[in-house]
Amino acid sequence: AQSVTQLDSQVPVFEEAPVELRCNYSSSVSVYLFWYVQYPNQGLQLLLKYLSGSTLVESINGFEAEFNKSQTSFHLRKPSVHISDTAEYFCAVSEVQGAQKLVFGQGTRLTINP
Amino acid sequence: DTAVSQTPKYLVTQMGNDKSIKCEQNLGHDTMYWYKQDSKKFLKIMFSYNNKELIINETVPNRFSPKSPDKAHLNLHINSLELGDSAVYFCASSQTGQGRATQYFGPGTRLLVL
Repeated sequence: AQSVTQLDSQVPVFEEAPVELRCNYSSSVSVYLFWYVQYPNQGLQLLLKYLSGSTLVESINGFEAEFNKSQTSFHLRKPSVHISDTAEYFCAVSEVQGAQKLVFGQGTRLTINP
Repeated sequence: DTAVSQTPKYLVTQMGNDKSIKCEQNLGHDTMYWYKQDSKKFLKIMFSYNNKELIINETVPNRFSPKSPDKAHLNLHINSLELGDSAVYFCASSQTGQGRATQYFGPGTRLLVL
């Protein structure tokens, strides 16, 4: 079985500051890793994913995440945040083999202050 | 065109009633899922269907019955609604196969049981 821990339930930052949202996972088998974003009163949107290859993955809106197998982490970073980045961010894993259900972390509420 | 759609978007009903939520995807995927997001925003898998066959059933009460008439549709029927069923229900779809594990989510159905 897999589990995901997002170490911070809330992260407040000022606009244009850098941010890191932490995610650690536990699994006895190989996994895929995902970050989803949920804007207020909306559904889940895929932000970025690691399936294989380069351990550093990027999104189109400036976020990046690095898969670290030895530390079982997949932290999300952005060098300069914008007010529009205010949202709930979810880290998730799924097994490479098998039914591939997503197991989610508890979510991190990112609040950007002007 | 909406990739994964759900109806209704909002559902307010009385305890004891029976209700259904519908989901449709036009991505040509072969696997569909239902997730529940509780009041603390925690997301958990409920069911998954692959090519109309149930492949995941995560200890959900028997009052919940999924039905998949074809690969593009996955409906969720809930009998004898209880207060604790109040949540946001998300449908998702994906295409199985290694390296193709990304799940795409619908906008959610916000269910409130009074």
